[in-house]
Amino acid sequence: NAGVTQTPKFQVLKTGQSMTLQCAQDMNHNSMYWYRQDPGMGLRLIYYSASEGTTDKGEVPNGYNVSRLNKREFSLRLESAAPSQTSVYFCASSEANGAPLHFGNGTRLTVT
Amino acid sequence: KNEVEQSPQNLTAQEGEFITINCSYSVGISALHWLQQHPGGGIVSLFMLSSGKKKHGRLIATINIQEKHSSLHITASHPRDSAVYICAVRSGSARQLTFGSGTQLTVLP
Repeated sequence: NAGVTQTPKFQVLKTGQSMTLQCAQDMNHNSMYWYRQDPGMGLRLIYYSASEGTTDKGEVPNGYNVSRLNKREFSLRLESAAPSQTSVYFCASSEANGAPLHFGNGTRLTVT
Repeated sequence: KNEVEQSPQNLTAQEGEFITINCSYSVGISALHWLQQHPGGGIVSLFMLSSGKKKHGRLIATINIQEKHSSLHITASHPRDSAVYICAVRSGSARQLTFGSGTQLTVLP
C-alpha cells in the first residue's frame, strides 16, 4: 500500500523554467492538498482540492497552478520558476476536509 | 487567522526522559493535529483531537480548549523519537489548517 506518492524527490530548475510535480494517492481519498515548507515557517497551503473536479486557492497560490486529474491524482505546476519558489513541497490527502492528513515524502526544489 | 506558537523550538533529552512539547493558539478551533516529521523529511499524523486527551503507545496528547493550549507528551523517550513535532489547528469551519513552525526533538542514547 503506497499511500501518497510524489515525484520527483529532487529537482533543480533555472529561473523561468517550468515543471510539474506529480502526486497520486491510492487510499480513495476525496481531498488532496499541496503545501510548501520553508525553514523556520510552518507548512503553508498552496492549493487544495476538496473533491474530484474542484480546486481552490490556499494561503500562497501565486506562481502555481494545479490540476485534479482524477480522484487519485493532483498535480502542481510552476509555469515560470522563481528563486522564491525554492522550497520543499508536500502533497497530502485526506478522506474528507478536516480528516487526518496523509503526506507524501516531499519534493525538494531548488530554483537558481 | 489563527496564530500557532510551539515551545520549545528545540529540545534535547536523554533516553528515558519524559518529554513535553507545547502548542498555543490564538483563536477558537474545531480541531488540533499533532504531526511528526522524520529526519528523512516524511510527515506522519499522530493525533487529531478537539477535546480531552488521546493516547497511542508512549505518546499522549492533551488539549485545554478554555486555555487554547495543547501538549504532546512522550513517556520513556527513545532516540527513535528524534524528529520535528508539528502542531496544526483548524479554526471553526475553515478549510485550511494553520501550522506551527515545529519543535525539533533530539533524544540522546
